[in-house]
Amino acid sequence: LAKTTQPISMDSYEGQEVNITCSHNNIATNDYITWYQQFPSQGPRFIIQGYKTKVTNEVASLFIPADRKSSTLSLPRVSLSDTAVYYCPTGGYNKLIFGAGTRLAVHP
Amino acid sequence: GAGVSQSPRYKVAKRGQDVALRCDPISGHVSLFWYQQALGQGPEFLTYFQNEAQLDKSGLPSDRFFAERPEGSVSTLKIQRTQQEDSAVYLCASSAGTSGRITYNEQFFGPGTRLTVL
Repeated sequence: LAKTTQPISMDSYEGQEVNITCSHNNIATNDYITWYQQFPSQGPRFIIQGYKTKVTNEVASLFIPADRKSSTLSLPRVSLSDTAVYYCPTGGYNKLIFGAGTRLAVHP
Repeated sequence: GAGVSQSPRYKVAKRGQDVALRCDPISGHVSLFWYQQALGQGPEFLTYFQNEAQLDKSGLPSDRFFAERPEGSVSTLKIQRTQQEDSAVYLCASSAGTSGRITYNEQFFGPGTRLTVL
């Protein structure tokens, strides 16, 4: 299973929409695409999951194109508390393969 | 409800010592995972249990690493003869696994144990 690739870091300001794109060229047919958020000194926390097309929940939207080789996490109207590292691991029920993640910094 | 807990939160070991890290998963969760996270990197998969069975240990870096989950709940990750390169945060995660035709992929992570080998 190949690791995913993402921008190393991103900067944004409070109230803006943030889109983080992840590349997973070698994703397996049965794999889901999930996004996790991690704060310092904490374990990753699940945000959203999808297989294809678009998924939306109360905190984010996930866009997955038909070829599933990439995905985009959309965070509407970010706040300072969204400053964290965001990961897009692939895998299934028995394993997650993480990349290095995207460090998002939200500024006042 | 209670989440995944890990103990100790911090562990300092001298090179060559053995360490044991404990994970208490969410009650009723079938699946349990261990990951290793180096500073500034994403978590790396170590091993996976379904109940008491260790179904995948492909990520364990060497035979000094050993994990068990004898009764299908609490798990222990043991590292023998620790080396400096073992210094990392060790994360435990659990998930509900498969129930009937439904598979729950979401993993719930504990806070991790930060291991420092001197």
